Amino acid sequence: QMQLQESGPGLVKPSETLSLTCNVSGGSISGYHWSWIRQAPGKGPEWIGYIFYLGATNYNPSLKSRVTISVDTSKNQFSLKLNSVTAADTAVFYCARHLYCGGDCYSPAFDLWGQGTMVTVSP
Amino acid sequence: YELTQPSSVSVSPGQTARITCSGNALSTQYAFWYQQRPGQAPVLLIYKDKERASGIPERFSGSSSGTIVTLTISGVQAEDEADYYCQSGEINGAFEVFGGGTKLTVL
Repeated sequence: QMQLQESGPGLVKPSETLSLTCNVSGGSISGYHWSWIRQAPGKGPEWIGYIFYLGATNYNPSLKSRVTISVDTSKNQFSLKLNSVTAADTAVFYCARHLYCGGDCYSPAFDLWGQGTMVTVSP
Repeated sequence: YELTQPSSVSVSPGQTARITCSGNALSTQYAFWYQQRPGQAPVLLIYKDKERASGIPERFSGSSSGTIVTLTISGVQAEDEADYYCQSGEINGAFEVFGGGTKLTVL
C-alpha cells in the first residue's frame, strides 16, 4: 500500500524559501504524476504544481514565478521549493499522487494524499 | 478561473444531499469530487464527472450538465458530515482549480 509523507520546517521567515519533501513508500514513484497542493486555514485547496516522474513539470500560473518542483527517483521522493514567502503562504501543504491512466497519460484526479504538513510564515 | 459551490448544505439522515459546482470550463473539462473530514486530507470520491473512485460507497454519485456538475449522496449517514470540494481544469486544461467547498451538515 503506497503512502506519502511530507517533511520540512514548520516555520519559515518572510522573504525566505519554503522547502518540503514528499517521501513515497510502499511503491515506486515511477509511472506517476505527482503534485503539491496547499490549503490555507478555512479555505479550499489550491493546486501548486505537478511533476511527472521523468521530470516534466507544470505550475499554477499564480505561483509559477516562485515555485520549483523536482524529483529524485533514486530516493523515491519529490520536493517543493517556494521562494520569497509571505504570511499569505501560511497553509497546510499536501503532496498527492495523480490517478494512474497509463503510459504518460495525465489524469487531473488526486487519488492518494499525504497527511499534510502545516507551514507557518512568521518572523 | 473559479468553481462556485454553495457554502453549506443540510440534510437529515437517510435523505439525499445534492451539492452543485458551477464553472465555465466544466463544459469542456472533467470534474472531480473530494470529501475532507476535519484534520484529514481530502479523499477522492468521483473522477471524470461520474466515475466512483476505488472503495467509495455506491451512495456517492456524480453527474454533469453543461457548466454545472452535481455530487449526490443518497441515504446520507452521520459519517458523511464533512467538507466537499469539486476540482476541474481551467478551460484549456493548463492548470487545476478547486471550488471553495461545501460543508455538509447531517441534522
